[in-house]
Amino acid sequence: DTAVSQTPKYLVTQMGNDKSIKCEQNLGHDTMYWYKQDSKKFLKIMFSYNNKELIINETVPNRFSPKSPDKAHLNLHINSLELGDSAVYFCASSLRAGVLNTEAFFGQGTRLTVV
Amino acid sequence: DQQVKQNSPSLSVQEGRISILNCDYTNSMFDYFLWYKKYPAEGPTFLISISSIKDKNEDGRFTVFLNKSAKHLSLHIVPSQPGDSAVYFCAAKTGGGADGLTFGKGTHLIIQP
Repeated sequence: DTAVSQTPKYLVTQMGNDKSIKCEQNLGHDTMYWYKQDSKKFLKIMFSYNNKELIINETVPNRFSPKSPDKAHLNLHINSLELGDSAVYFCASSLRAGVLNTEAFFGQGTRLTVV
Repeated sequence: DQQVKQNSPSLSVQEGRISILNCDYTNSMFDYFLWYKKYPAEGPTFLISISSIKDKNEDGRFTVFLNKSAKHLSLHIVPSQPGDSAVYFCAAKTGGGADGLTFGKGTHLIIQP
């Protein structure tokens, strides 16, 4: 039973389209994240939600909008996709924000290719 | 500005020998350090961590050392096994509410038979 699952695993779409990536965790964690791994392999945090509330929003374009319907789900919606959005997007969760000695658990990633 | 640096993109080690992966950081506010292992087409999986109040943490074949004054940590794997071949990411976090991880660029460890 997968702890953090995200769908789809692969997504190929045209520039200008709107797409969503879904993420669910069954660990009972309070905090969920979206990370982006770009072509240079850097893994960078995009958003962090704690109990459905946004607590981190790095300098990410407004076209990216996370939505957390409940604390087990954090979906990522991307409007007007651009070529530069091509990357691998990872969802993650951790026990709760502000607890230092905890690790984050990652999903398998979604490889987004914009053509 | 890279706050967590892994200066070796790849490392090749013979099976049975020790693998040493290095990581440097610049942000003195980092309080907790983690190593993740990643196979192709999978997400990173947690390996081992260390708090800034410690200088060593050991878990089976894996040991992480922290030198806070040098802002340096290292992961030792001994003995190295073929299944250890993967990309290893060093990550760090600060205390407080905003607890996202800052990652290094990763080191690709290749264990040769």
